Formats: sequence, C-alpha cells, structure tokens
Amino acid sequence: QKEVEQNSGPLSVPEGAIASLNCTYSDRGSQSFFWYRQYSGKSPELIMFIYSNGDKEDGRFTAQLNKASQYVSLLIRDSQPSDSATYLCAVNWYGAQKLVFGQGTRLTINP
Amino acid sequence: DAGITQSPRHKVTETGTPVTLRCHQTENHRYMYWYRQDPGHGLRLIHYSYGVKDTDKGEVSDGYSVSRSKTEDFLLTLESATSSQTSVYFCAIRAGDQETQYFGPGTRLLVL
Repeated sequence: QKEVEQNSGPLSVPEGAIASLNCTYSDRGSQSFFWYRQYSGKSPELIMFIYSNGDKEDGRFTAQLNKASQYVSLLIRDSQPSDSATYLCAVNWYGAQKLVFGQGTRLTINP
Repeated sequence: DAGITQSPRHKVTETGTPVTLRCHQTENHRYMYWYRQDPGHGLRLIHYSYGVKDTDKGEVSDGYSVSRSKTEDFLLTLESATSSQTSVYFCAIRAGDQETQYFGPGTRLLVL
C-alpha cells in the first residue's frame, strides 16, 4: 500500500515567520511530488512540484525533497494571513498514472 | 483554471436515486480523474480515464461508475445514492510535465 502522510495540524505560525510543512511517503519507487493549497470551500490549486533531490524555489515557496529519507517539505517564507489554508502533498509513482494525496495540513497564519 | 467545469455545483438528492455528475474540459487533455474529499480522508481517487472509453478504478470505486464517450466529458454516476456518498466531488485533468493535475471547482453532493 503506497501511503502519503502529513500532520493534519492545525499548524499556527505568526505573520512574517517561516511556515514549514512536512510530508512522508512509503515507497521508494516515487517519481514526482506536488504541493497544493486549498482554501476552505475551494478546489486544490497547484503551488509547485519537485522531482529531483534538493531544493526548488518559487517566490516565497521552497520545496525540499530527500528521496533517501522519503520526505518532502514545503517552506513558506514571510508568511501572510492569506497563506492560511490546507496544504496537500501528493506523490506520483512510476507508471501509476495517478497521484496519491496526503490528508493535508491546516495552516493558520496569525497577524 | 485549466478550462475545467463541473455540473451541477450543488445537489441534494435522496437515498436510492441515481445521480450523474459531469466534468467538462476545453483543452483536449487525455487524462481525467474523479476524486471525493471528506474530512479526515483527504482526496481519494474514485475512477480515472486515459482516453475515450478507457477508464480504470481508483481506491474508492464501489458504488460509482464512469463513462467517457468524448474527450471533453467525463461523467461520474452514483448508481443508487447512499448517505455515505455525501461528499465534495472534484474532477481533475492531467497536463504538462510530471503528471501534474489541475482541479475543477467541485460539486457538493448531499444524499438525504
């Protein structure tokens, strides 16, 4: 059974601080990894994906991948109240043609 | 928004009735997906399609069927709705590199 696990939170971070979200996955045949943001009552929207070990930066967001340890993380710098949402991690395995999602971490940024 | 629409956006129905949800895309993507989202369970794959008339089951397919007779439309049918199928249903398409998926706006279904 391929699994993707996230701490459901809630994770509370003060405005302007760095929010760190983590995701672990159970299988070493993974190919690519995705972070989605979902506001309450809305659909998930893609933040970024990563497929190579190391860091990938996009604006205030940095994804970090460590395949040996089977985890992927998302850092949000200079957190804003508008970053308050649920963040979903998803993993694609080779040949699977589909993503497996974690349960999501609810993040609250406190002004 | 990747050109994805879902209809209806909200529906209330009674136990035992059939229900069909529609996902429509305008960009000719080959892969389409149906998910349900429930508190505590995250997004779970119901069925997906990799082409016209080509579909496969996901992890929670019992009680659901799908059809895809045209590239742009992917239909999800609840053959006899039950209260356990009360959920938010999302359609997604796969586009670009690395199997990236983009989601439609969702359908809220309440089965009484």
